[in-house]
Amino acid sequence: QKEVEQNSGPLSVPEGAIASLNCTYSDRGSQSFFWYRQYSGKSPELIMFIYSNGDKEDGRFTAQLNKASQYVSLLIRDSQPSDSATYLCAVTPSSYKLIFGSGTRLLVRP
Amino acid sequence: DAEITQSPRHKITETGRQVTLACHQTWNHNNMFWYRQDLGHGLRLIHYSYGVQDTNKGEVSDGYSVSRSNTEDLPLTLESAASSQTSVYFCASSERRGDIQYFGAGTRLSVL
Repeated sequence: QKEVEQNSGPLSVPEGAIASLNCTYSDRGSQSFFWYRQYSGKSPELIMFIYSNGDKEDGRFTAQLNKASQYVSLLIRDSQPSDSATYLCAVTPSSYKLIFGSGTRLLVRP
Repeated sequence: DAEITQSPRHKITETGRQVTLACHQTWNHNNMFWYRQDLGHGLRLIHYSYGVQDTNKGEVSDGYSVSRSNTEDLPLTLESAASSQTSVYFCASSERRGDIQYFGAGTRLSVL
């Protein structure tokens, strides 16, 4: 079992729809959770972080954390073609070394 | 503005040659990391450092080495480049262990 798992996609949504990206992790002691966006040929950039159970909203982005079920999700409301990218989930397990998922490719159709 | 820079951005080398990739950050972060990214594998940790004179192996450290002589720099050396080391390399830094990491623009390395 991979430590951080994501569906590779692509996840295709129409412009204006809600995109829902999911991530599961294996270490129950994980403390911090991050979502990075990576455009093709570019480096990962942080878009959201969440430390506590529940929802955290920032503009069109909402991160959701459920530690009991060991999953974290990212919702993107009013998706735009410019949101088309690969989204990397990252988790800080007990070792304090970030573990990255392989990423989910999102395509937003105009 | 503080930043993290990598050089070169692109490098082509031959098998068996020694190659050094530079990473320089101006955030004064103690924690620095090197990753490689390949299709289907995501980001894999090569080496990391939690401070000057501290270096540690990551999950894919064979064939790579790092040294940390100051806070700002963590160069990555490929002792004898192999075709399997053709990849995109990212350097990152963070203020606290296990917390947000900020990435450089990456170095695309081709070993022929």
